[in-house]
Amino acid sequence: QVQLQGSGPGLVKPSQTLSLTCTVSGDPVNSGPNYWTWIRQHPARGLEFIGYVYYLGTTYYNPSLESRLSISLDTSANQFSLNLYSVTAADTAVYYCARSRGKSGANTFDSWGQGTLVTVSS
Amino acid sequence: ELVLTQSPGTLSLSPGERATLSCRASQAISSSYVTWYQQKPGQAPRLLIYGTSTRATGVPDRFSGSGSLTDFTLTINRLEPEDFAVYFCQQYGSSPLYSFGQGTKLEIK
Repeated sequence: QVQLQGSGPGLVKPSQTLSLTCTVSGDPVNSGPNYWTWIRQHPARGLEFIGYVYYLGTTYYNPSLESRLSISLDTSANQFSLNLYSVTAADTAVYYCARSRGKSGANTFDSWGQGTLVTVSS
Repeated sequence: ELVLTQSPGTLSLSPGERATLSCRASQAISSSYVTWYQQKPGQAPRLLIYGTSTRATGVPDRFSGSGSLTDFTLTINRLEPEDFAVYFCQQYGSSPLYSFGQGTKLEIK
């Protein structure tokens, strides 16, 4: 059974980079057809899709975040990572890593990490 | 951009009653890619229903989904104490590829 564990700093200063890692167990990140995804949850605004990295390494980003975003795979560590640049207070949220199996999984998120609260504040 | 609007924002019911939760899309979407999640406090969302009406593994049959085009419904029959949570609908396909409703909180009356 796949398990995802997110990790990273809980506090980031404005204008700096938010960096999170998701460690996956029970499923190689380079096995298909997995889409390794980041989703965030603002307290008042619900869930927001951030982007994914496909098991082959290609990426798709939410257009609203694309200019500040990078998601990548580390197959040696069985991890995937998020970098969100030039953060502001509006980026304060709980960040979840999740897995989608793509069309074979009806494009749902069937496994989630526990969530990491990231606060952007000086 | 496609918007999913859930109603009501909060639903107050008693155990044993039936809950009907609505998810309305701002444009027609594929019923193959409408999903419902349950989220309890301090936890990640849990996959409940996918493809509009298919229950995920381990989901009790008191949960059911229906709908088409722009209107989708999650129904929970005979509410159990563990069903009180927040429920989100989600779609795949329209920009920004994946989007979520703002959630319906199901609370004990």
